[in-house]
Amino acid sequence: GQQVMQIPQYQHVQEGEDFTTYCNSSTTLSNIQWYKQRPGGHPVFLIQLVKSGEVKKQKRLTFQFGEAKKNSSLHITATQTTDVGTYFCAVYNFNKFYFGSGTKLNVKP
Amino acid sequence: DAGVTQSPTHLIKTRGQQVTLRCSPISGHKSVSWYQQVLGQGPQFIFQYYEKEERGRGNFPDRFSARQFPNYSSELNVNALLLGDSALYLCASSRYASGGSPYEQYFGPGTRLTVT
Repeated sequence: GQQVMQIPQYQHVQEGEDFTTYCNSSTTLSNIQWYKQRPGGHPVFLIQLVKSGEVKKQKRLTFQFGEAKKNSSLHITATQTTDVGTYFCAVYNFNKFYFGSGTKLNVKP
Repeated sequence: DAGVTQSPTHLIKTRGQQVTLRCSPISGHKSVSWYQQVLGQGPQFIFQYYEKEERGRGNFPDRFSARQFPNYSSELNVNALLLGDSALYLCASSRYASGGSPYEQYFGPGTRLTVT
């Protein structure tokens, strides 16, 4: 089945530092979604990307879809303690969702 | 508007028993998906249902089954429970994904299942 590899597994940053998580696939993706899961919570939808080279921004969050549609990234500028959580990428293919293993972000105040 | 609701929130079962988990989607959403999330891992896709029909199935044994009702609510059944079935079971609703680009999923709070 479709696999997406997500790196890094963990990231510890000082508040105000930037953060990036990457999602990679060996095959071309038709779409990619990003979710955030707070500790003890459930995944919350952030964004969906479908076009090659697509870049979308949500305040301090920037999402990119690679030109070859085989990778994607989520970048957070000037992290805040409210950014703490695990960020997942997810791919939908042939009526199935495939989630990455997630990047757990810890922000020190 | 109410979000996705799931019941029960917590459940403790013994190996070999059977369990039924319930999910009510957001009003107007006709698709429900089920996921298993083990601590420290990403959600693993189990099923997707739309209009009472199974549209997608993940790599889970036949002990796992589900159904969707006319009001779009759904049940997940797991038979012959194993210790390894202990996990957070998440339900997500969405407008239907037609096989191309999906719509965003809205997750419920989950049911924490512990098998002893």
